[in-house]
Amino acid sequence: AQTVTQSQPEMSVQEAETVTLSCTYDTSESDYYLFWYKQPPSRQMILVIRQEAYKQQNATENRFSVNFQKAAKSFSLKISDSQLGDAAMYFCAYRSAGLSGSSNTGKLIFGQGTTLQVKP
Amino acid sequence: EAGVVQSPRYKIIEKKQPVAFWCNPISGHNTLYWYLQNLGQGPELLIRYENEEAVDDSQLPKDRFSAERLKGVDSTLKIQPAELGDSAVYLCASSLWSSYSEQFFGPGTRLTVL
Repeated sequence: AQTVTQSQPEMSVQEAETVTLSCTYDTSESDYYLFWYKQPPSRQMILVIRQEAYKQQNATENRFSVNFQKAAKSFSLKISDSQLGDAAMYFCAYRSAGLSGSSNTGKLIFGQGTTLQVKP
Repeated sequence: EAGVVQSPRYKIIEKKQPVAFWCNPISGHNTLYWYLQNLGQGPELLIRYENEEAVDDSQLPKDRFSAERLKGVDSTLKIQPAELGDSAVYLCASSLWSSYSEQFFGPGTRLTVL
């Protein structure tokens, strides 16, 4: 079974600074997707960034980028130029890249989350 | 375009009472998911629907939980009877298909069982 581990329950960063959130995962599969989701206090889960395991290039979305180390099974999120609106809980998630009929397909496996505080 | 709609947003009930949550996915999304999120934890999948078929309900406690998606559109998740340990946030998500497609989440229903 796949597992996702986030070892940092809480992190804080000064506004405009850079912060990195850590995530490790365990899987025997070779093809999968990794995600970072943001959940503000309002609870609406929002996709921040997505990485396909077969791609060597790290994904980037504006101020958000990842460091994907497939061999080490590590998937960290870097937030540059942190803003007050970045304060939220961040979840790392894993998803198998199976076919629609597979029981694992579509199932997101989440880590425990990291609460990010942004200080003005 | 409207997002995933859930109601109610909050529900407080006494233990042993029944409760139901409703979810309306994004229009055209074939796949619907129900997740359970305990306080301070990541969500865990309860059940996944492909149209009206439940294709993954292995994590659904079937002695007290039930779900339906009769016409392949909106869905209802029910608990009967509720227990203290059921206090949590129940999230609904939808995607075009379960493969490759991004999941969009609703705001969730926070259930408190007294």
